[in-house]
Amino acid sequence: DTAVSQTPKYLVTQMGNDKSIKCEQNLGHDTMYWYKQDSKKFLKIMFSYNNKELIINETVPNRFSPKSPDKAHLNLHINSLELGDSAVYFCASSRRDSYGYTFGSGTRLTVV
Amino acid sequence: RKEVEQDPGPFNVPEGATVAFNCTYSNSASQSFFWYRQDCRKEPKLLMSVYSSGNEDGRFTAQLNRASQYISLLIRDSKLSDSATYLCVVIPMDSSYKLIFGSGTRLLVRP
Repeated sequence: DTAVSQTPKYLVTQMGNDKSIKCEQNLGHDTMYWYKQDSKKFLKIMFSYNNKELIINETVPNRFSPKSPDKAHLNLHINSLELGDSAVYFCASSRRDSYGYTFGSGTRLTVV
Repeated sequence: RKEVEQDPGPFNVPEGATVAFNCTYSNSASQSFFWYRQDCRKEPKLLMSVYSSGNEDGRFTAQLNRASQYISLLIRDSKLSDSATYLCVVIPMDSSYKLIFGSGTRLLVRP
């Protein structure tokens, strides 16, 4: 049983396209996150939702829009993709106090 | 200045060696500290929490020095399977939800 699953695992797309990445967790956690790992391997938080409510929104372009239909799902939609969006995007979930963080296996996005 | 700084390495050590990694953080009000491990093309996974009193988990020992804003990880009797990137992680005082990652220290253990 996969605890935090995200799809797709790989995504290759052209500049200007719109794409979505989906994430689901079956751990019963209240909080979900999106992190971005760039080409220098630096991991940085983008968004966090707690019980479907946005609680963290770091300085991320408006082209990125998270959506949480319920506390087990957090999807990431990206409009007008740019070359600089190429990265690995990790979904994660945790208990309320951020302990017990579990990451998904990542989505490797390549924009060409 | 980055919030969490680490030596990127790589540290290249023979099996059986003892190796130590260091990390410094800039926000003295940070509340919690961890070491994560990330294998190539995989997700980060929690290795251990770090406490001021020091804590040990098998061959791994972590230490926090709040006065110096310094975190360390010691690996004894290195195994080939320890080869990975080790990420120093801090939870800031103003947000208990987000993890702030260092850029990682790469360890290569050779036969």
